[in-house]
This record gives sequence, structure tokens and C-alpha cells, in this order.
Amino acid sequence: DVKVTQSSRYLVKRTGEKVFLECVQDMDHENMFWYRQDPGLGLRLIYFSYDVKMKEKGDIPEGYSVSREKKERFSLILESASTNQTSMYLCASNRGQDRAGELFFGEGSRLTVL
Amino acid sequence: AQTVTQSQPEMSVQEAETVTLSCTYDTSESDYYLFWYKQPPSRQMILVIRQEAYKQQNATENRFSVNFQKAAKSFSLKISDSQLGDAAMYFCAYGNPGAGSYQLTFGKGTKLSVIP
Repeated sequence: DVKVTQSSRYLVKRTGEKVFLECVQDMDHENMFWYRQDPGLGLRLIYFSYDVKMKEKGDIPEGYSVSREKKERFSLILESASTNQTSMYLCASNRGQDRAGELFFGEGSRLTVL
Repeated sequence: AQTVTQSQPEMSVQEAETVTLSCTYDTSESDYYLFWYKQPPSRQMILVIRQEAYKQQNATENRFSVNFQKAAKSFSLKISDSQLGDAAMYFCAYGNPGAGSYQLTFGKGTKLSVIP
């Protein structure tokens, strides 16, 4: 089974803090994604990566950055957290040839910014 | 840009009954994928069922089936013999690799409650 692991299920941070959300997948997937999930808004893509050190902006990249130094790991970074970044963050992955195809998700990281 | 619309924010169904969740999408493409994902409370999102647009036959996975109406751009999910474990958020999603895109576009979700 594909396993996508997000390092923190729940985080509480202060405004202005730097926040790292880590995601690791164990199936050698080329593509990795970070989504933000908010009630009534569904899932919105923040960033994705189709290869090591490659990244592409999604629909809502403002206030976020990402890092992909190794194939299995994709990190989401909030340089200076703000209260409007309180949300559920979902990491997902799939194979290179499954572009726009089935995604495998982690359990999510619920971030609260005070 | 493609859009996916789920018009039912919440639905409920009696255990053992059948329920249908609606999804419509907007696209000018002819070849694409459609998905239904399930997100149980505090658990990870998993794929329920997928449909390739070029296939006329509706996809089925055990108690889950879809009604894919390509001309109407409609993709509804039918859950038969509903069980308590079916209670979850359900998301409809669209993907079009032919457009060079990697991402899926998701609807806003439908929260399904199952009444014992």
C-alpha cells in the first residue's frame, strides 16, 4: 500500500513564526502536492512538484513556499505564519505517468495560528 | 479553468438505504478523468471510484456506482445499502492530463450522514 506520512497531525503556532510541514511518501512517486482544505471551499492546490528540486505554483501559493530536496520528501513552509493560514493541510502524491490522475493522500496536518 | 460543482453541502441517508450525491463539471475537453474521494472524520482521504471520460460504461465498485452523463457534464455517485462507515465528506474531482496539467480540481464537498 502507498503510504503518505505527514509529520504533524496537529500544530499550534504564533503569528509570525516560521512553520514547516513535512510529508514523506514511500512509493517512489514523482509527483507530490500540497493542498489546503477549508470548510465550504473544498481543496485548493498550493504547490506541487513533479521532480526533485522542481516546483510549480498552484492556485493559492501566496504566503507559502516549498522544498523538495529528495524524491520522497516534500515540505511546505510558511515563512511568517498568519491567522488566515489556520487550516487543514493535505499532502498527496502520485506516479509521474499518472499526471492529473489518482492521488494518494496523507492524514492531514491541522494548523492553528494564534 | 475547469470547475467542479457539488450542489449538496450536506445529505443524510438511513442505514441500508440508497443515496445519490451530485456533481457537475465544466470543461471543453473530450478526454479526462473523474473521481469520487471519501474523507472520513479525522482520517485520510481515499479514492472511492474513478471514471475515464472515453469509457461509456459507468464505473462500479461494490456498493458504489456512478452515473456518468458526458453530454450533461454530470457525474453522480450512488451508494447502495448505506452503512454507518459511509459517513464522511465526499469530494468530486476532475483531472485532465491532456492539457498538460498535473492537478486535480475538487468540488467543495458533500457531508454525508448515515442515520442508524
